[in-house]
Amino acid sequence: EAQVTQNPRYLITVTGKKLTVTCSQNMNHEYMSWYRQDPGLGLRQIYYSMNVEVTDKGDVPEGYKVSRKEKRNFPLILESPSPNQTSLYFCASSPRGGRISNYGYTFGSGTRLTVV
Amino acid sequence: GIQVEQSPPDLILQEGANSTLRCNFSDSVNNLQWFHQNPWGQLINLFYIPSGTKQNGRLSATTVATERYSLLYISSSQTTDSGVYFCAVVGYTGGFKTIFGAGTRLFVKA
Repeated sequence: EAQVTQNPRYLITVTGKKLTVTCSQNMNHEYMSWYRQDPGLGLRQIYYSMNVEVTDKGDVPEGYKVSRKEKRNFPLILESPSPNQTSLYFCASSPRGGRISNYGYTFGSGTRLTVV
Repeated sequence: GIQVEQSPPDLILQEGANSTLRCNFSDSVNNLQWFHQNPWGQLINLFYIPSGTKQNGRLSATTVATERYSLLYISSSQTTDSGVYFCAVVGYTGGFKTIFGAGTRLFVKA
């Protein structure tokens, strides 16, 4: 089944403890991206990747890192999580992105992160 | 950056009714999509529609790129249509960022 898989689905952690949220897609998509969803602020893009080894900042990249060493995986890294990073996180993929972005996005099921 | 506005913010319908959701955007875009977020939080892509009209069952969408708006039509609404509908655009603002509107929250009563 074609899908985007995020892990974990739920995570409670403490301030400052490094964590990684994984995202994997099995559709050979070039484009992948991360979003956070917060009440009253909607969905905001954190980072995106047009292809392997090509990443760029979205609107809210502060406090996050990403890497794209292989096409199928796009992990989101929080080096020192803080309570304001408590949010619902989504990963998405698409066959292409950018100027030739003429495809829809497939989203993962989300990761609910709580930082205490 | 590109601004995306959706209206109405909230909508309550009786089952069987029709509705139109609107998405306005402030600049030219490469990509426009409509999504449905169901009550369990899943985001489902409904349409990729940077211009023109598409239909999928009871749903259809029209984007008039030159006038910078898109419409999502829901006909004969069902309770399972409840949730939040988002439009999202991709435009160049120092990078090809994806910008979401604030969404329209729809509740369909049985």
